[in-house]
Amino acid sequence: GENVEQHPSTLSVQEGDSAVIKCTYSDSASNYFPWYKQELGKGPQLIIDIRSNVGEKKDQRIAVTLNKTAKHFSLHITETQPEDSAVYFCAAYTGGFKTIFGAGTRLFVKA
Amino acid sequence: EAGVTQSPTHLIKTRGQQVTLRCSPISGHTSVYWYQQALGLGLQFLLWYDEGEERNRGNFPPRFSGRQFPNYSSELNVNALELEDSALYLCASSRDRLHLIPQHFGDGTRLSIL
Repeated sequence: GENVEQHPSTLSVQEGDSAVIKCTYSDSASNYFPWYKQELGKGPQLIIDIRSNVGEKKDQRIAVTLNKTAKHFSLHITETQPEDSAVYFCAAYTGGFKTIFGAGTRLFVKA
Repeated sequence: EAGVTQSPTHLIKTRGQQVTLRCSPISGHTSVYWYQQALGLGLQFLLWYDEGEERNRGNFPPRFSGRQFPNYSSELNVNALELEDSALYLCASSRDRLHLIPQHFGDGTRLSIL
């Protein structure tokens, strides 16, 4: 069935370094890939998304890349700050208004 | 603009009981999604409502059900509660069906089954 794998499950970086989170999806029909950030005690917040006709998208310190052939996509955060510490979820839209989420990456940014 | 609101924030139930969770979408949003987030797991899609109709559901048993009201608020009902139903239940809304993904999430209802 449809599946989204996300790695790593935990990531610890020094403030100012970059962080990369990778996801792989199984449904080749997936065409829309959002990323969410979930802070402690809060619901997920949509931070960036990419559609299948685009290879890369940037928004200030965050960027997403997509490789449709390999069926994987990544989130890149540059110049990390302590407030970037959160759980990040990748997701893939599979049609029928159904979005499949990865298991999440807990990012720690050490000051 | 008020965000997605969910109630209650916390709930404790015992096995076999029934529970109703409530969600109010952002004003003007017609689509409501429900997700289950068990500890350490990603979000599992439960249900999607739009314009008062159930449009899609995930791989959950029929004891998970819900509805959407004319004002677009929504309820999630879970009957015959089981221990594995303990989780954070998240509601999200989107402006309409043109927006394919859940855009705005509430902070969830944490359900604990004893």
